[in-house]
Order: sequence, then structure tokens, then C-alpha cells
Amino acid sequence: QVQVVESGGGLVKPGGSLRLSCAASGFTFSDYYMNWIRQAPGKGLEWVSYISSRGSIVNYADSVEGRFTISRDNAKNSVYLQMNSLRAEDTAVYYCARDGKSWWFDYWGQGTLVTVSS
Amino acid sequence: QSALTQPPSASGSPGQSVTISCTGTSSDVGGYNYVSWYQHHPGKAPKLMIYEGTKRSSGVPDRFSGSKSGNTASLTVSGLQAEDEADYYCCSYVGTNKKIIFGGGTKLTVL
Repeated sequence: QVQVVESGGGLVKPGGSLRLSCAASGFTFSDYYMNWIRQAPGKGLEWVSYISSRGSIVNYADSVEGRFTISRDNAKNSVYLQMNSLRAEDTAVYYCARDGKSWWFDYWGQGTLVTVSS
Repeated sequence: QSALTQPPSASGSPGQSVTISCTGTSSDVGGYNYVSWYQHHPGKAPKLMIYEGTKRSSGVPDRFSGSKSGNTASLTVSGLQAEDEADYYCCSYVGTNKKIIFGGGTKLTVL
């Protein structure tokens, strides 16, 4: 069955960096776009970034552009989110989600919590 | 890019129907057939309910239906059940910048 599992969350100081990982299984990973989506405490869902199936196309929310970098390793069935220059407002649960071929998310992980605080 | 507009809350009694709206622009909701809806119970992973505006995801009861008129998409839940109580989010592709945008979310309460 399809599984998506995030890891790498934790506590980091403002201005610091963190790298999230997402391991996928149960489907042909290299056929699908992948996304990162976050939810800050008490707030709604916010799309963060996507990467195309071969990694040649990426896009970011305005709130993270220039600070976050998405990448993938199809040999390891994994997608990553490198987060730099972190701010308090980046505190959130970060979800990894598969794109179901037309800009919708059909499989989500359980999320990993990132806390940015001094 | 502002979030799509959803009512913060909605409610209904068991067995009743409730409709949640999602308003965008011609650059997102109105311009493409890429609206999706998600059910989110706190502490769990969001669940895809509707994709491409009207199509139910696998295993979703036919009590859930999606529609669109102009720049507004809607999710209707018929025959409300206690387990339908959750947060619901709409989502759309944005053609002008090829980004993705969510609505602010609607908390559905089953009275």
C-alpha cells in the first residue's frame, strides 16, 4: 500500500536550518510530483512547494521562496525540504503529499513538527 | 496570493445537508478544473475527498459531492453523520504563477 513518512522535524533557533525528509513506498515514485504542505498552530493548511517527477520543475510559496529548497532522489524514493533562514512563523507541522496527477493530493504522511524558537 | 475564501464555520444536525463554499478568482477556481477538497481531523493526516471539482476520491461516501459555478466551488455533505465533524479545506491550482493555494478552512460541526 502507498505510504509516505516524514522525518527530520525538531526545535531550531531563528535563523537556523533544518532538512526534512520524506520516504515513499508502495508506488512508482519517479512517476509522481511530490509536495510539502504545512499547518501552523491554530491555522489552516498552506502549500509550501512541489517538485516534478524527475526534479526538473520546482515551485514555492511566496512565503518561503529563496529560503527553502525542495529536492528528490528517485533512487531512494525520497523527497527533501532544505529550510534555511528559519523564522518563528515557519513553526508548523510539515506534511509530505503525493500529487495525484492533476494538482490534488491523494496520499499524505502524518507530518513532522518544526518549531522555530529561541 | 491570498487564500481562497471559505466560511470559518458551518453546522447541521444529523441527517441534514450542509454546503461549504470556496471563492477564488478566474486565475484559480474559475479558470481551471483543478479544485480539490480535504477533510482534516486534528492530529491526523488530511484526507482527499473531492478532486477535479466533482470527482469523489476512492472510498469516499456518495454523501459528499462537489460542484462549481464561476469562481466559486462548493462541497455538499448530505445525510450528516457525527464522524463528518472535521475541518474542511478547498484547494486550487493557480494558473498565473503555477502555484497552489488553499482556502482558510471551514470547521464543520454536527449538532
